[in-house]
Amino acid sequence: ELKVEQNPLFLSMQEGKNYTIYCNYSTTSDRLYWYRQDPGKSLESLFVLLSNGAVKQEGRLMASLDTKARLSTLHITAAVHDLSATYFCAVDGDSNYQLIWGAGTKLIIKP
Amino acid sequence: EPEVTQTPSHQVTQMGQEVILRCVPISNHLYFYWYRQILGQKVEFLVSFYNNEISEKSEIFDDQFSVERPDGSNFTLKIRSTKLEDSAMYFCAITYRQGRLGGTQYFGPGTRLTVL
Repeated sequence: ELKVEQNPLFLSMQEGKNYTIYCNYSTTSDRLYWYRQDPGKSLESLFVLLSNGAVKQEGRLMASLDTKARLSTLHITAAVHDLSATYFCAVDGDSNYQLIWGAGTKLIIKP
Repeated sequence: EPEVTQTPSHQVTQMGQEVILRCVPISNHLYFYWYRQILGQKVEFLVSFYNNEISEKSEIFDDQFSVERPDGSNFTLKIRSTKLEDSAMYFCAITYRQGRLGGTQYFGPGTRLTVL
Protein backbone atom coordinates (compact mmCIF):
# COMPACT_ATOMS: atom_id res chain seq x y z
CA GLU A 1 0.00 0.00 0.00
CA LEU A 2 1.29 3.41 -0.93
CA LYS A 3 1.73 5.61 2.10
CA VAL A 4 2.62 9.19 2.79
CA GLU A 5 3.16 9.99 6.43
CA GLN A 6 3.52 13.43 7.89
CA ASN A 7 4.63 14.40 11.33
CA PRO A 8 3.74 16.06 13.41
CA LEU A 9 0.04 16.14 12.63
CA PHE A 10 -0.47 19.12 14.88
CA LEU A 11 1.98 21.82 15.80
CA SER A 12 1.45 24.87 17.96
CA MET A 13 4.34 27.28 18.12
CA GLN A 14 5.21 30.82 19.02
CA GLU A 15 6.00 33.50 16.52
CA GLY A 16 9.68 33.85 15.81
CA LYS A 17 10.50 30.17 16.34
CA ASN A 18 11.83 27.69 13.81
CA TYR A 19 10.37 24.28 13.14
CA THR A 20 10.36 21.45 10.63
CA ILE A 21 7.55 19.31 9.27
CA TYR A 22 8.52 15.87 7.98
CA CYS A 23 7.02 13.89 5.13
CA ASN A 24 7.95 10.23 4.60
CA TYR A 25 6.63 8.28 1.66
CA SER A 26 6.71 4.69 0.47
CA THR A 27 6.49 5.16 -3.30
CA THR A 28 9.34 5.37 -5.76
CA SER A 29 8.25 8.83 -6.80
CA ASP A 30 11.01 11.31 -7.49
CA ARG A 31 8.67 14.26 -7.18
CA LEU A 32 7.02 15.68 -4.15
CA TYR A 33 4.53 18.46 -3.67
CA TRP A 34 3.74 20.72 -0.77
CA TYR A 35 0.38 22.40 -0.47
CA ARG A 36 -1.12 24.81 1.99
CA GLN A 37 -4.77 24.83 3.03
CA ASP A 38 -6.46 27.54 5.07
CA PRO A 39 -9.61 26.54 6.99
CA GLY A 40 -12.51 26.02 4.62
CA LYS A 41 -10.39 26.92 1.62
CA SER A 42 -8.81 25.18 -1.32
CA LEU A 43 -5.34 23.72 -1.67
CA GLU A 44 -2.65 26.14 -2.71
CA SER A 45 0.51 24.83 -4.30
CA LEU A 46 3.65 25.87 -2.43
CA PHE A 47 6.49 23.80 -3.85
CA VAL A 48 7.20 21.11 -6.39
CA LEU A 49 10.41 19.22 -5.70
CA LEU A 50 11.52 17.45 -8.85
CA SER A 51 14.64 15.52 -7.96
CA ASN A 52 16.87 14.21 -5.24
CA GLY A 53 18.51 17.02 -3.33
CA ALA A 54 16.07 19.63 -4.57
CA VAL A 55 15.66 22.60 -2.29
CA LYS A 56 13.19 25.41 -2.76
CA GLN A 57 12.55 28.48 -0.67
CA GLU A 58 9.76 31.00 -0.57
CA GLY A 59 9.85 33.56 2.17
CA ARG A 60 10.04 31.83 5.53
CA LEU A 61 9.37 28.38 4.08
CA MET A 62 12.00 26.07 2.71
CA ALA A 63 11.36 22.58 1.34
CA SER A 64 13.85 19.86 0.54
CA LEU A 65 13.71 16.36 -0.90
CA ASP A 66 15.84 13.27 -0.29
CA THR A 67 14.54 10.59 -2.63
CA LYS A 68 16.93 7.97 -1.30
CA ALA A 69 15.53 8.34 2.18
CA ARG A 70 12.06 9.01 0.77
CA LEU A 71 11.86 12.05 2.95
CA SER A 72 10.92 15.65 2.45
CA THR A 73 11.06 18.44 4.98
CA LEU A 74 9.28 21.75 5.17
CA HIS A 75 11.23 24.14 7.36
CA ILE A 76 9.69 27.24 8.85
CA THR A 77 12.01 30.03 9.83
CA ALA A 78 11.02 32.74 12.31
CA ALA A 79 7.36 31.82 12.11
CA VAL A 80 4.70 34.48 11.78
CA HIS A 81 0.99 34.21 12.49
CA ASP A 82 0.08 34.35 8.77
CA LEU A 83 1.70 30.96 8.25
CA SER A 84 -0.98 29.31 10.36
CA ALA A 85 -2.62 26.71 8.10
CA THR A 86 -2.65 23.01 7.35
CA TYR A 87 0.27 21.84 5.24
CA PHE A 88 0.02 18.75 3.07
CA CYS A 89 2.68 16.84 1.23
CA ALA A 90 1.82 14.62 -1.71
CA VAL A 91 3.62 12.37 -4.17
CA ASP A 92 2.79 10.90 -7.55
CA GLY A 93 1.04 7.57 -7.30
CA ASP A 94 2.59 4.58 -9.05
CA SER A 95 0.00 4.80 -11.81
CA ASN A 96 0.89 8.40 -12.63
CA TYR A 97 -2.69 9.58 -12.61
CA GLN A 98 -3.18 10.63 -9.03
CA LEU A 99 -1.51 12.22 -6.06
CA ILE A 100 -1.09 10.32 -2.82
CA TRP A 101 -1.55 12.63 0.13
CA GLY A 102 -0.26 12.87 3.64
CA ALA A 103 -2.73 13.48 6.46
CA GLY A 104 -1.66 17.09 6.80
CA THR A 105 0.06 19.06 9.53
CA LYS A 106 -2.10 21.64 11.23
CA LEU A 107 0.15 24.50 12.18
CA ILE A 108 -0.94 27.14 14.66
CA ILE A 109 1.37 30.05 15.25
CA LYS A 110 0.58 32.13 18.26
CA PRO A 111 1.41 35.85 18.32
CA GLU B 1 -5.07 33.88 -10.91
CA PRO B 2 -7.26 30.82 -10.41
CA GLU B 3 -6.80 28.10 -12.95
CA VAL B 4 -10.22 26.61 -12.36
CA THR B 5 -13.54 27.56 -10.81
CA GLN B 6 -16.18 25.31 -9.32
CA THR B 7 -19.93 25.61 -8.88
CA PRO B 8 -21.81 25.58 -6.66
CA SER B 9 -19.69 26.61 -3.73
CA HIS B 10 -22.09 24.84 -1.37
CA GLN B 11 -24.70 22.20 -2.14
CA VAL B 12 -27.19 20.89 0.38
CA THR B 13 -29.18 17.84 -0.64
CA GLN B 14 -31.33 15.12 0.79
CA MET B 15 -30.03 11.59 1.02
CA GLY B 16 -30.82 9.65 -2.12
CA GLN B 17 -30.90 12.69 -4.37
CA GLU B 18 -28.63 13.23 -7.35
CA VAL B 19 -26.11 16.06 -7.38
CA ILE B 20 -23.92 17.45 -10.13
CA LEU B 21 -20.79 19.33 -9.27
CA ARG B 22 -19.18 21.47 -11.95
CA CYS B 23 -15.62 22.41 -12.70
CA VAL B 24 -14.80 25.11 -15.22
CA PRO B 25 -11.19 25.53 -16.30
CA ILE B 26 -9.96 28.99 -17.14
CA SER B 27 -8.19 27.70 -20.22
CA ASN B 28 -8.42 24.57 -22.25
CA HIS B 29 -6.82 22.04 -19.97
CA LEU B 30 -7.03 18.44 -21.02
CA TYR B 31 -6.30 16.76 -17.71
CA PHE B 32 -8.79 16.82 -14.87
CA TYR B 33 -8.97 15.29 -11.45
CA TRP B 34 -11.57 15.07 -8.74
CA TYR B 35 -10.65 14.76 -5.09
CA ARG B 36 -12.71 14.83 -1.96
CA GLN B 37 -11.87 15.84 1.57
CA ILE B 38 -14.07 14.89 4.46
CA LEU B 39 -14.00 17.66 7.02
CA GLY B 40 -10.68 17.73 8.85
CA GLN B 41 -9.34 14.69 7.07
CA LYS B 42 -6.91 13.92 4.30
CA VAL B 43 -7.43 14.54 0.63
CA GLU B 44 -8.64 11.46 -1.27
CA PHE B 45 -8.31 10.85 -4.98
CA LEU B 46 -11.52 9.99 -6.81
CA VAL B 47 -10.87 9.99 -10.54
CA SER B 48 -8.68 11.37 -13.29
CA PHE B 49 -9.99 12.24 -16.74
CA TYR B 50 -8.13 12.74 -19.99
CA ASN B 51 -9.28 13.19 -23.53
CA ASN B 52 -12.88 12.49 -22.60
CA GLU B 53 -12.06 9.25 -20.85
CA ILE B 54 -11.44 8.14 -17.31
CA SER B 55 -7.72 7.49 -16.83
CA GLU B 56 -7.93 6.06 -13.38
CA LYS B 57 -10.40 5.82 -10.55
CA SER B 58 -10.12 4.94 -6.90
CA GLU B 59 -12.11 2.48 -4.85
CA ILE B 60 -14.23 5.38 -3.64
CA PHE B 61 -15.38 6.07 -7.18
CA ASP B 62 -18.04 3.38 -7.38
CA ASP B 63 -21.10 3.08 -9.57
CA GLN B 64 -22.76 5.99 -7.78
CA PHE B 65 -20.21 8.35 -9.33
CA SER B 66 -19.71 9.45 -12.92
CA VAL B 67 -17.77 12.15 -14.72
CA GLU B 68 -18.14 13.79 -18.10
CA ARG B 69 -17.41 16.87 -20.16
CA PRO B 70 -20.88 17.68 -21.43
CA ASP B 71 -19.92 20.63 -23.61
CA GLY B 72 -16.19 20.21 -24.13
CA SER B 73 -15.25 22.74 -21.47
CA ASN B 74 -17.06 22.09 -18.22
CA PHE B 75 -16.14 18.99 -16.30
CA THR B 76 -18.81 17.47 -14.06
CA LEU B 77 -18.94 14.99 -11.23
CA LYS B 78 -22.30 13.36 -10.69
CA ILE B 79 -23.34 11.45 -7.62
CA ARG B 80 -26.47 9.53 -8.48
CA SER B 81 -27.90 8.68 -5.08
CA THR B 82 -26.18 10.58 -2.32
CA LYS B 83 -25.42 9.05 1.04
CA LEU B 84 -24.68 10.75 4.33
CA GLU B 85 -21.05 9.75 4.04
CA ASP B 86 -20.74 11.64 0.75
CA SER B 87 -20.75 14.87 2.74
CA ALA B 88 -17.35 16.43 2.05
CA MET B 89 -15.49 19.09 0.13
CA TYR B 90 -15.06 18.11 -3.50
CA PHE B 91 -12.13 19.61 -5.33
CA CYS B 92 -11.50 19.70 -9.03
CA ALA B 93 -7.87 19.93 -10.10
CA ILE B 94 -6.17 20.39 -13.43
CA THR B 95 -2.74 20.00 -14.88
CA TYR B 96 -1.29 21.06 -18.17
CA ARG B 97 0.08 17.60 -18.85
CA GLN B 98 -0.59 14.16 -17.50
CA GLY B 99 1.10 11.66 -15.32
CA ARG B 100 4.74 12.02 -14.36
CA LEU B 101 5.11 14.93 -16.75
CA GLY B 102 2.02 16.58 -15.39
CA GLY B 103 3.61 18.62 -12.68
CA THR B 104 1.62 20.63 -10.21
CA GLN B 105 -2.07 20.04 -9.91
CA TYR B 106 -3.99 23.28 -9.50
CA PHE B 107 -7.06 23.06 -7.36
CA GLY B 108 -10.37 24.81 -7.66
CA PRO B 109 -12.03 26.46 -4.67
CA GLY B 110 -14.10 23.37 -3.96
CA THR B 111 -17.75 22.54 -3.51
CA ARG B 112 -18.97 21.76 -0.02
CA LEU B 113 -21.55 18.99 -0.28
CA THR B 114 -23.84 18.46 2.67
CA VAL B 115 -26.13 15.42 2.59
CA LEU B 116 -28.99 15.48 5.09
